[in-house]
Amino acid sequence: GQQVMQIPQYQHVQEGEDFTTYCNSSTTLSNIQWYKQRPGGHPVFLIQLVKSGEVKKQKRLTFQFGEAKKNSSLHITATQTTDVGTYFCHAMDSNYQLIWGAGTKLIIKP
Amino acid sequence: DAGVTQSPTHLIKTRGQQVTLRCSPKSGHDTVSWYQQALGQGPQFIFQYYEEEERQRGNFPDRFSGHQFPNYSSELNVNALLLGDSALYLCASSLKGGGRAYEQYFGPGTRLTVT
Repeated sequence: GQQVMQIPQYQHVQEGEDFTTYCNSSTTLSNIQWYKQRPGGHPVFLIQLVKSGEVKKQKRLTFQFGEAKKNSSLHITATQTTDVGTYFCHAMDSNYQLIWGAGTKLIIKP
Repeated sequence: DAGVTQSPTHLIKTRGQQVTLRCSPKSGHDTVSWYQQALGQGPQFIFQYYEEEERQRGNFPDRFSGHQFPNYSSELNVNALLLGDSALYLCASSLKGGGRAYEQYFGPGTRLTVT
């Protein structure tokens, strides 16, 4: 079935550095959502993007949806220890099928 | 306002047995989706229920079945358990968007261990 490729699998950063995760699809997506899952927790909804080229910001988090609606990114500026977790993209394709990225784990170096 | 609840929180079963997991959606939500999440992996979509019918299904065998009740709560049943079924089972509720985007609220999950 269709997949959304999410990269990187892991990202190690020093506290205060930036973090970015990307999701890429070979076909057009109807919408894309981003979720955060803390260690031992469950996914928590962050944002939803629907429009081509859409950019949304939540404090230090910036979310983008590509012009072709085939890719998306989540960027965190000046990471904090509270940002630790795994970030997942979740999309609905043009056939309304639900697909998830494999996640990017954000690790803050001690 | 209660969020999504799941029961039980943990479960240990033996290969070949059957298991039933339960989920109550967030108040006001009418759609329930079930996911399997293996350790260190992303959620894998099992199926979605709306109006007491299975509306979408992921790539899971018929051993996985479900039900939605008139009060929107849902059950996930797994028959003939295999060791590979050991995972965290997540329930997520949402409002049916009729093809529109919708956000999902997840429950805490049921940790199933098959021995």
